Amino acid sequence: GAVVSQHPSWVICKSGTSVKIECRSLDFQATTMFWYRQFPKQSLMLMATSNEGSKATYEQGVEKDKFLINHASLTLSTLTVTSAHPEDSSFYICSARDPSGDRTDTQYFGPGTRLTVL
Amino acid sequence: SQKIEQNSEALNIQEGKTATLTCNYTNYSPAYLQWYRQDPGRGPVFLLLIRENEKEKRKERLKVTFDTTLKQSLFHITASQPADSATYLCALGITGGGNKLTFGTGTQLKVEL
Repeated sequence: GAVVSQHPSWVICKSGTSVKIECRSLDFQATTMFWYRQFPKQSLMLMATSNEGSKATYEQGVEKDKFLINHASLTLSTLTVTSAHPEDSSFYICSARDPSGDRTDTQYFGPGTRLTVL
Repeated sequence: SQKIEQNSEALNIQEGKTATLTCNYTNYSPAYLQWYRQDPGRGPVFLLLIRENEKEKRKERLKVTFDTTLKQSLFHITASQPADSATYLCALGITGGGNKLTFGTGTQLKVEL
């Protein structure tokens, strides 16, 4: 149980284009999903918290107009990197919180999406 | 300032030995602490969660301790195997933090034959 998928697993795009990454909870309903970014040899940095049916909460220093988050259903959140630039190249990982039972504080992570902007 | 520090150097141990990884934090009051395993190019995989009122948790060959006085968690893998080689991350969940996790820097473990 508690499986989270991401799509695509990797993407290469040209500078100036937009890229959408999907995060799905496959066997549970996630009222809250999180988006992280990880640069090589560094730890995960939280970008934003996504709550179903409401606006995302962004961490300090993360541009909300550049990283658009939509959490339209209890099993799907999307991150759109708008007008991508080479410095946006990174490993993007989502996680979902299972609010049921004693797993409520645990986050389950997707496999990640490698974004390369040329 | 707030900091979460793990063993800065990679940890190399021999197969069959016990690996002990350290997570120290300052200026945090975590409600719980979680340990994750991350393989290269993959997302973290949840291993164990321990709450502030718990001293120790076990799961198969894994054991985690949590000392809120020392502000430290120790993560043990007994009878280590080469397949345990990975980066291990600790993450703190803060009281009133909206279920957000703050991650440590990670420790790379290599189990050698």
